Amino acid sequence: ILNVEQSPQSLHVQEGDSTNFTCSFPSSNFYALHWYRWETAKSPEALFVMTLNGDEKKKGRISATLNTKEGYSYLYIKGSQPEDSATYLCAFRSDSGYALNFGKGTSLLVTP
Amino acid sequence: DSGVTQTPKHLITATGQRVTLRCSPRSGDLSVYWYQQSLDQGLQFLIQYYNGEERAKGNILERFSAQQFPDLHSELNLSSLELGDSALYFCASSATGQTETQYFGPGTRLLVL
Repeated sequence: ILNVEQSPQSLHVQEGDSTNFTCSFPSSNFYALHWYRWETAKSPEALFVMTLNGDEKKKGRISATLNTKEGYSYLYIKGSQPEDSATYLCAFRSDSGYALNFGKGTSLLVTP
Repeated sequence: DSGVTQTPKHLITATGQRVTLRCSPRSGDLSVYWYQQSLDQGLQFLIQYYNGEERAKGNILERFSAQQFPDLHSELNLSSLELGDSALYFCASSATGQTETQYFGPGTRLLVL
C-alpha cells in the first residue's frame, strides 16, 4: 500500500473565499496523480489526471498543480460556491502497478 | 451520470452469507476496477480486469473473487461474509486501464448483520 496523505482533513469556508488543499504522495516511481470530487450520495467524479512534473490543469474555478520531485499536488478553488461543497480525493498511481491509491480526502463545506 | 451502472444499490445480509455485486462499464471501456470504502478508510483498490483478464490485484481478501465476462460486465463475489465487510463497494471503468480517467458507478452499499 502506498501512502497518500491529504490535508487538511476538512475545511469550512465562506462563499467567495478561495481555498486550497494538499495531496502528498511517494516521490519515487511516479506514474500519475488523479483528483476526484465526491459529493454526498453520489459517485466520485473525475477532475484531473496529471502525469508530468510541473503540470497545471484547470477546469472552471478549480485548478491543480503537480510536483513529482517532491511528491505533492495542490488543488485550488477560486471564489468558492456552496455547490463546491464535497470531498476532494487524490489518488496516486506508481509505475509498478495499475492500482490507484487514494487518500482519505479533504471535506470542503462552503456556506453562503 | 458516469455511464457505469451497479446493482443492487443496497444489500442487507447476514454473516456467513454470500453475495454478488454486478457492474456494467461505460460503453467502449475495456477495463473494470473494484474498490471498497469502509468507515474511516479511503477508497481501497480491490482488483482490476482488462478485457476479461485479471490485470492487477490489491487488498482483496481470499473470500472475495471477481470476474469480467465477454460482454465486459463484471461481478464481485463476496463469501463467508463478516460484519467488517459492511462497506460501500464501487466499480469504475476506463478505456484501456492505463493513465486515463476512471469513471465511477453509484456504488453498492452492503450491510452485514
